[in-house]
Amino acid sequence: KAGVTQTPRYLIKTRGQQVTLSCSPISGHRSVSWYQQTPGQGLQFLFEYFSETQRNKGNFPGRFSGRQFSNSRSEMNVSTLELGDSALYLCASSFETEDTQYFGPGTRLTVL
Amino acid sequence: AQSVTQPDIHITVSEGASLELRCNYSYGATPYLFWYVQSPGQGLQLLLKYFSGDTLVQGIKGFEAEFKRSQSSFNLRKPSVHWSDAAEYFCAVGASAGNNRKLIWGLGTSLAVNP
Repeated sequence: KAGVTQTPRYLIKTRGQQVTLSCSPISGHRSVSWYQQTPGQGLQFLFEYFSETQRNKGNFPGRFSGRQFSNSRSEMNVSTLELGDSALYLCASSFETEDTQYFGPGTRLTVL
Repeated sequence: AQSVTQPDIHITVSEGASLELRCNYSYGATPYLFWYVQSPGQGLQLLLKYFSGDTLVQGIKGFEAEFKRSQSSFNLRKPSVHWSDAAEYFCAVGASAGNNRKLIWGLGTSLAVNP
């Protein structure tokens, strides 16, 4: 079974731009969660989508948004990028919210 | 305040040597404890988790961890390290068995293995 895939793997953007990241979960998984990982803050939960509905949300500003499609694929969007948004963005999928999550390799976003 | 501390930012061991990675936590409720590993270019992989019962838990890749409530610790160990174990290791604590969304994460320990 294929693992969680994320595209693109690397991105370079400038302040003020917006960006969209994509995540394809493991086949059959309905829950997709997004995390931001930085050296200083560690891993922080952004939000979780389950069957196209946002189920959980972390403490991030409204510039961070997401959605999930009927095939469980998910996208995350960050608008009006700031330098502090530079991070590794990880996607994780599971069958149910309470199940063990499987992480993708991440998208490395650099904001200049 | 709830927190997880991994005191060692970076550790270097020789291949074949034993390994212990430290994790201390501060948590108001009964903790659920996890160790994850992140290899370069790879996602996080769950090594093991502790919920209750035997305080010594076995995980994948020959890792084990011991929960010590009196010391608020959950240290990860491996008797003989392999070069492929070089990676970043994260300890996390949460309030439920499977809801990883509310985990509190440590900042990680980077492990280097000398041949």
